[in-house]
Amino acid sequence: DSGVTQTPKHLITATGQRVTLRCSPRSGDLSVYWYQQSLDQGLQFLIQYYNGEERAKGNILERFSAQQFPDLHSELNLSSLELGDSALYFCASSPRGRTSGGTYNEQFFGPGTRLTVL
Amino acid sequence: AQSVTQLDSHVSVSEGTPVLLRCNYSSSYSPSLFWYVQHPNKGLQLLLKYTSAATLVKGINGFEAEFKKSETSFHLTKPSAHMSDAAEYFCVGYRGGATNKLIFGTGTLLAVQP
Repeated sequence: DSGVTQTPKHLITATGQRVTLRCSPRSGDLSVYWYQQSLDQGLQFLIQYYNGEERAKGNILERFSAQQFPDLHSELNLSSLELGDSALYFCASSPRGRTSGGTYNEQFFGPGTRLTVL
Repeated sequence: AQSVTQLDSHVSVSEGTPVLLRCNYSSSYSPSLFWYVQHPNKGLQLLLKYTSAATLVKGINGFEAEFKKSETSFHLTKPSAHMSDAAEYFCVGYRGGATNKLIFGTGTLLAVQP
């Protein structure tokens, strides 16, 4: 158990709909990351938040948005859903970026939310 | 910028035989490297990480990886495969710069035959 929780585990919805995925990071972690995993694209970084502020953007579509709240939990909003949005969505968290030795901290992944768009 | 390349998309071994999953990296500076494992329908679990303190890194479940700068490699090994090792393994690095952007290899699917 990584300490990162995600809800819901599974989500089935129809095209054109909007859904919200929720993530609670490990206690004390300030950074939250969202990833999409699909068969054809593999693991793709979507977006990162650090202590409530957007820090980095990856391959995130304009129909998708995210935010991190004062209690550090994060939500990923997916709208105008298309069949191709069906995927596993992972959240990960980490402490502050680099260790004192200058290397990067590892990220701890949640169990994921499986989104199926019909 | 850093990149990682996993050289095998599928590896099949017999139970009790050694495992070798290959990963090469490219980086203009000392890299941060990780191996993650993903069991079917599960999240990613950290196996081990390279922190530049030691070139041979020991991880969980008997896995280890050796950082070889001269070969720009970070191969994952295990002396004796177990059926429960069947999973997908990802070699991961960082893009570098101000953000913690993980760069994932394409994954190696490990099958363990009885």
